[in-house]
Amino acid sequence: SQTIHQWPATLVQPVGSPLSLECTVEGTSNPNLYWYRQAAGRGLQLLFYSVGIGQISSEVPQNLSASRPQDRQFILSSKKLLLSDSGFYLCAWSVMEWTGQYEQYFGPGTRLTVT
Amino acid sequence: GQNIDQPTEMTATEGAIVQINCTYQTSGFNGLFWYQQHAGEAPTFLSYNVLDGLEEKGRFSSFLSRSKGYSYLLLKELQMKDSASYLCAVRDNAAGNKLTFGGGTRVLVKP
Repeated sequence: SQTIHQWPATLVQPVGSPLSLECTVEGTSNPNLYWYRQAAGRGLQLLFYSVGIGQISSEVPQNLSASRPQDRQFILSSKKLLLSDSGFYLCAWSVMEWTGQYEQYFGPGTRLTVT
Repeated sequence: GQNIDQPTEMTATEGAIVQINCTYQTSGFNGLFWYQQHAGEAPTFLSYNVLDGLEEKGRFSSFLSRSKGYSYLLLKELQMKDSASYLCAVRDNAAGNKLTFGGGTRVLVKP
C-alpha cells in the first residue's frame, strides 16, 4: 500500500531564516506530487506540482521554491521566511487510475509558524 | 480561472442529515471531489463524481449536476465524529488536471 510522509510535523522559525520541508512517498512509482498551503480556517492553495523528476510548476509567485531530486521525494524550500509564510503545509500525491479518477492523497502536514 | 463556492459553516444535530452545497465555474470540468478534514489534520478523500447523478457510500452521498455547475455532499445519521471541515475540489483539464479547492465548510454536530 502507498504511504506519504512529511517532516517535520511542526516548525517554529524566525523571520528571515531558511526553510526546508520534505515529503516522501512509498509504494507507488512516478506519482504526481503537490505542495499546498492552508492558512488558518481557509481552503487549500496549490503552491507547486511536479509530474516527474526535476519538473516543477509554480502556481503562485512567492519566496518559496520546490525541488524533486528523486521520483518519490518532493522538497519545499525558502531562503528567507516571511511572516506570511506561516500555515499548514500539505504534500499530496496522485496517480491516474484506470477509471480516470486520479484523486489526491495527502500527507500528515507540517505546521509552520514564522515568528 | 475557476471559482468554487461553498458555505463557510453549518450546524446540525446528532442523528440528523446535513447537505453541503458546492457551486463551481470551470472551463474544462473533469471531476469533482469531496474531502473531509478534521481540525489540525490532513484532508481525507470522501467521494468523486464525474458524471451527473448520485454516488452513495454508506452514510455519505455526493451528487453532481454538470449543467448547473453544482454538487452537494449529503451526510446522514450524523455522528459527533462528523464534526469537521468538508472541502469541495474541482479538476479542470484546461488547467493541467490540477485540483482547485473551495474554502471548505465547517460542520459542527451538536448532541
